[in-house]
Amino acid sequence: AQTVTQSQPEMSVQEAETVTLSCTYDTSESDYYLFWYKQPPSRQMILVIRQEAYKQQNATENRFSVNFQKAAKSFSLKISDSQLGDAAMYFCAYRIGDMRFGAGTRLTVKP
Amino acid sequence: DVKVTQSSRYLVKRTGEKVFLECVQDMDHENMFWYRQDPGLGLRLIYFSYDVKMKEKGDIPEGYSVSREKKERFSLILESASTNQTSMYLCASSLRTVRGKLFFGSGTQLSVL
Repeated sequence: AQTVTQSQPEMSVQEAETVTLSCTYDTSESDYYLFWYKQPPSRQMILVIRQEAYKQQNATENRFSVNFQKAAKSFSLKISDSQLGDAAMYFCAYRIGDMRFGAGTRLTVKP
Repeated sequence: DVKVTQSSRYLVKRTGEKVFLECVQDMDHENMFWYRQDPGLGLRLIYFSYDVKMKEKGDIPEGYSVSREKKERFSLILESASTNQTSMYLCASSLRTVRGKLFFGSGTQLSVL
């Protein structure tokens, strides 16, 4: 079975600083996608970034970037220049056919 | 914009009731999903439908069933609601491709008393 592990239930960052959220996954497949979703207090799930397993280059979306280590099955999310609006639950996910999520990391941003 | 609509934002039911959670998407997506979200457990997949009348069990299907008679609608059914089914339920849809992102509804917070 696919599993996704987020080992940090909570993280805190100072506004304008950088924070990294960890994610590991377990699979025997070679072709898959990895995602980070954000869930603010509104409960609406928002896609932050996605990465194709075949691509060596790490995905980047503005202040969000990933560190994808395929051999280690690691997919961390780096948020640069943190803003108050980044405060949310962050979920790492893995997709082959269906999509499986980790338990989430609650990010607090301090002004 | 893609819209995934869940019929209720909050729902209160009694133990033993049959409960229907409805989800409708407007983007002709093949795939639809039902998850439940609990603190500390993240999103757990209940059922996945990859096309009309097609379904697969997720990690926690016990106590639930689903129906997908039309492409745009995916219903989650609690045959006999129990207190341990009190949770947030999220519906999602996507294109039939591994790179497809999921579009989510705004969730239904179900309380079973």
